Amino acid sequence: QKEVEQNSGPLSVPEGAIASLNCTYSDRGSQSFFWYRQYSGKSPELIMFIYSNGDKEDGRFTAQLNKASQYVSLLIRDSQPSDSATYLCAVNKGGNKLVFGAGTILRVKS
Amino acid sequence: EAQVTQNPRYLITVTGKKLTVTCSQNMNHEYMSWYRQDPGLGLRQIYYSMNVEVTDKGDVPEGYKVSRKEKRNFPLILESPSPNQTSLYFCASSGGMITGTQYFGPGTRLLVL
Repeated sequence: QKEVEQNSGPLSVPEGAIASLNCTYSDRGSQSFFWYRQYSGKSPELIMFIYSNGDKEDGRFTAQLNKASQYVSLLIRDSQPSDSATYLCAVNKGGNKLVFGAGTILRVKS
Repeated sequence: EAQVTQNPRYLITVTGKKLTVTCSQNMNHEYMSWYRQDPGLGLRQIYYSMNVEVTDKGDVPEGYKVSRKEKRNFPLILESPSPNQTSLYFCASSGGMITGTQYFGPGTRLLVL
């Protein structure tokens, strides 16, 4: 079992819809959770981080964390073609080691 | 401008020829890290450093060395590269892991023949 699992996709959504990206992790001791966006040929950039159970909103993005279920998700409201990218879930297991999932490809169709 | 720079951006080399990929950040960050990215495997951490002269192994350290003699620089050394080290490499820095934004460099694409 991978430490951080994501569906590779591609996830296709129409412009204006809500995109839902999911991530599960195996280590219950994980402390903080990150979502990165990576455009093709570019380096990852941080979208959001979350470390408490519940929801955290930032503009069109909402991160959701459920530690009991070991599940973290990212919702993108009003999806735009410019949101088309690979979304990487990352988990800090403690000790400053960051483990990434393989990423989910998102395609927003106009 | 806050940034992480890497050099070279592209490198083709042959098996066994020692190489160094440089990484530098201008944000006075304490934490720096090296990753490799391979299709289907995502980003995997090679080494990280909490501060000058403090380094530790990530998940895939075999075949790599690092040093942190200055806060701003964190070079990645491949003493004897092999074809399975062909990959895309990213350096990153952060002011802190729990809440700090991790800034990534532009990447170095390495091909080992």
